[in-house]
Amino acid sequence: GQSLEQPSEVTAVEGAIVQINCTYQTSGFYGLSWYQQHDGGAPTFLSYNALDGLEETGRFSSFLSRSDSYGYLLLQELQMKDSASYFCAVPHQGGKLIFGQGTELSVKP
Amino acid sequence: SQTIHQWPATLVQPVGSPLSLECTVEGTSNPNLYWYRQAAGRGLQLLFYSVGIGQISSEVPQNLSASRPQDRQFILSSKKLLLSDSGFYLCARGQTTMNTEAFFGQGTRLTVV
Repeated sequence: GQSLEQPSEVTAVEGAIVQINCTYQTSGFYGLSWYQQHDGGAPTFLSYNALDGLEETGRFSSFLSRSDSYGYLLLQELQMKDSASYFCAVPHQGGKLIFGQGTELSVKP
Repeated sequence: SQTIHQWPATLVQPVGSPLSLECTVEGTSNPNLYWYRQAAGRGLQLLFYSVGIGQISSEVPQNLSASRPQDRQFILSSKKLLLSDSGFYLCARGQTTMNTEAFFGQGTRLTVV
């Protein structure tokens, strides 16, 4: 089977840095994706890691350690608009795409 | 274009009534297509996925079904809705064969009353 574990909630203040962790158990691993979903909206793709290491895209970075079955999303210089739910996801050969339960990030002034 | 058309945006249906939600996608041919359901404040539950016309994989056995009559059309159906079918239904397409990036439609918020 497959499962992904994320914290349910994270709170941080504007301008700070926050890290959202994701651990996974899956038969066959091809990479880890991250998505953002604002309240009432659809999820949007943020990043994908197939190999170990850090991928940086502006204020957002994503890290993967395949040996630890672990990844994280790093958000820097937090802004109020970053308040949203963040999901990690893993693709499977055969077409399946599984999401974690999501982490609700609240950014406070 | 990776546009995904999903309608309606909101729907209120009585218990026991049928359901048909349609999703059509633009872009490359033979995309992987998905139906997810999201309860309020919860994660994305994979309901069905399809890797080609007529090919449907079911993840959650329940009173829902899916069909893919055309390459870029994915339909979610029910013969008789239950209260527990209420939720936010999202259609998505995989960007590549390995689905490293998925694009979502705007979703249908279904309330069963």
